[in-house]
Amino acid sequence: DTGVSQNPRHKITKRGQNVTFRCDPISEHNRLYWYRQTLGQGPEFLTYFQNEAQLEKSRLLSDRFSAERPKGSFSTLEIQRTEQGDSAMYLCASSYEGQRAQQYFGPGTRLTVT
Amino acid sequence: DAKTTQPNSMESNEEEPVHLPCNHSTISGTDYIHWYRQLPSQGPEYVIHGLTSNVNNRMASLAIAEDRKSSTLILHRATLRDAAVYYCILRDVGDDKIIFGKGTRLHILP
Repeated sequence: DTGVSQNPRHKITKRGQNVTFRCDPISEHNRLYWYRQTLGQGPEFLTYFQNEAQLEKSRLLSDRFSAERPKGSFSTLEIQRTEQGDSAMYLCASSYEGQRAQQYFGPGTRLTVT
Repeated sequence: DAKTTQPNSMESNEEEPVHLPCNHSTISGTDYIHWYRQLPSQGPEYVIHGLTSNVNNRMASLAIAEDRKSSTLILHRATLRDAAVYYCILRDVGDDKIIFGKGTRLHILP
């Protein structure tokens, strides 16, 4: 399967703990995006990379959130000191470089903070 | 903020055509109209996009009003697998990210 993969698919953590999610994009895509989706809402943009460079970050991405894409391949999204409001589905997408390029989404990581 | 307006939900019968409307009265000349859909427990997937002319692909057709202030996604023969949330999105030059609204939840009745 050459689609976007995300791990883990589900994560339950206690408030105050740190969590890290991984996204493996389609191999030939140089752009990688992170979105967050809460129940009943559409996905909200968090950040994106072109190769290893982080080009844009949303205001939603507080200083407790950090994303990396070393070597321009897979990406990780870390949330420090999790809060109950962080409970959501975290979606990763990848695309070729290009204006309005089609984005291919992974299945998401569902985070539950208790 | 999302620049499109869609009904919250719609119902359709299996094997019948479905017309999903979208209003985008503030569309600019360089905005493309994109549709994505999100099946249950999956990430969104691309459906179709267009600028001015109607577009067809294997999944759906996109009908764009002459003034471009509205568009309609057409599923020609709905199946139960088409039950999903459908998002109508405007993407301008330089729009690398996608701004999703709440979309339309489509229910297919057997």
